[in-house]
Amino acid sequence: AAGVIQSPRHLIKEKRETATLKCYPIPRHDTVYWYQQGPGQDPQFLISFYEKMQSDKGSIPDRFSAQQFSDYHSELNMSSLELGDSALYFCASRGQGSYEQYFGPGTRLTVT
Amino acid sequence: AQSVTQLGSHVSVSEGALVLLRCNYSSSVPPYLFWYVQYPNQGLQLLLKYTSAATLVKGINGFEAEFKKSETSFHLTKPSAHMSDAAEYFCAVSVSPTAGNQFYFGTGTSLTVIP
Repeated sequence: AAGVIQSPRHLIKEKRETATLKCYPIPRHDTVYWYQQGPGQDPQFLISFYEKMQSDKGSIPDRFSAQQFSDYHSELNMSSLELGDSALYFCASRGQGSYEQYFGPGTRLTVT
Repeated sequence: AQSVTQLGSHVSVSEGALVLLRCNYSSSVPPYLFWYVQYPNQGLQLLLKYTSAATLVKGINGFEAEFKKSETSFHLTKPSAHMSDAAEYFCAVSVSPTAGNQFYFGTGTSLTVIP
């Protein structure tokens, strides 16, 4: 079965640079979530989209923005990167009427 | 507000022994509860979920969990631990499956299985 796809899987950036993470949800899933998991931490909710509209917002810094496109894929844009942004970024998708979120393998971002 | 507390950040069991990972939740409305497993350098995989149907939920890999409203608990158990069960386990709560509703995760429990 198709799963959530995230790209890239690994990304190394320097401080103050920008990064774009991509998420391709499971086909026919209309909701996408972004989570940030710091080293040894639990995943923290950043933002979610339903039918291309932002539906919920968590602890996403103002330096970050995200959107969901017409094909339902989503991108997380991160600017002015800081060392503390180094983390595993997960995308999850959910189908209409479904209870669970299906997680992608994550993008490991390292800021040096 | 919703939250999840996982008691014990590290649990060690012998191979073949009972696995018990604790999860207590706080929710102002009937919750939906989930257990996810994370292997090193991998994403989160759903083990099982409670969605207001049967209180005893069976999941993959021999795991099960029981929803106890009176105790606000959703502990994860497995009768006999296997070496391959060594991983990080997260309990999560959601108040509604409606669009955009986020998950609140516990801080995770690292399970070590001793041969």
